[in-house]
Amino acid sequence: NAGVTQTPKFQVLKTGQSMTLQCAQDMNHEYMSWYRQDPGMGLRLIHYSVGAGITDQGEVPNGYNVSRSTTEDFPLRLLSAAPSQTSVYFCATAIGPPGEQYFGPGTRLTVT
Amino acid sequence: AQSVAQPEDQVNVAEGNPLTVKCTYSVSGNPYLFWYVQYPNRGLQFLLKYITGDNLVKGSYGFEAEFNKSQTSFHLKKPSALVSDSALYFCAVLTGANNLFFGTGTRLTVIP
Repeated sequence: NAGVTQTPKFQVLKTGQSMTLQCAQDMNHEYMSWYRQDPGMGLRLIHYSVGAGITDQGEVPNGYNVSRSTTEDFPLRLLSAAPSQTSVYFCATAIGPPGEQYFGPGTRLTVT
Repeated sequence: AQSVAQPEDQVNVAEGNPLTVKCTYSVSGNPYLFWYVQYPNRGLQFLLKYITGDNLVKGSYGFEAEFNKSQTSFHLKKPSALVSDSALYFCAVLTGANNLFFGTGTRLTVIP
């Protein structure tokens, strides 16, 4: 039981490049979400999903795209990376009661 | 809109002394409040929550939190700090079915 896995751990992109951050969970939970963590700003919700085929926007969705074709996977796509997207990205799944979430180890992304 | 605020970026406490990490909230209706902890280079871990009932809630690693409706606060406490408690602490409020709004975080340093 790996919980929530995220790949890659680190990534450096040039402005304008695209990439996909991977997130997978083996706990069979319906709810998954993506957050970004920036110094002094805490964690901010980017997108979330309440089940396969269902996604919705969070607080800071611009510049990001998601899809949810399976319960296990919830990839986050950057279509054209910008320096403002330099951040640490966390994927999370709900582990039971509302608000109790299990976080992955994070992906540190730098856009130059 | 639901939100939380953490007024202190940094809290320092001597090992063995009691610790308090502050959080205030602004919500409409009854708040669902949470504390999470982040150790270096790790994802967030759930510590405890307040939904309803007793104003003093107990969580993992000996932490507890006191819900105070009149002061709109949800401060995290521990009677005797350990060096291993040094970490980044986040207060959060439930904003949707399962979405969380996080505070900006407080870095706790326990001095040996």
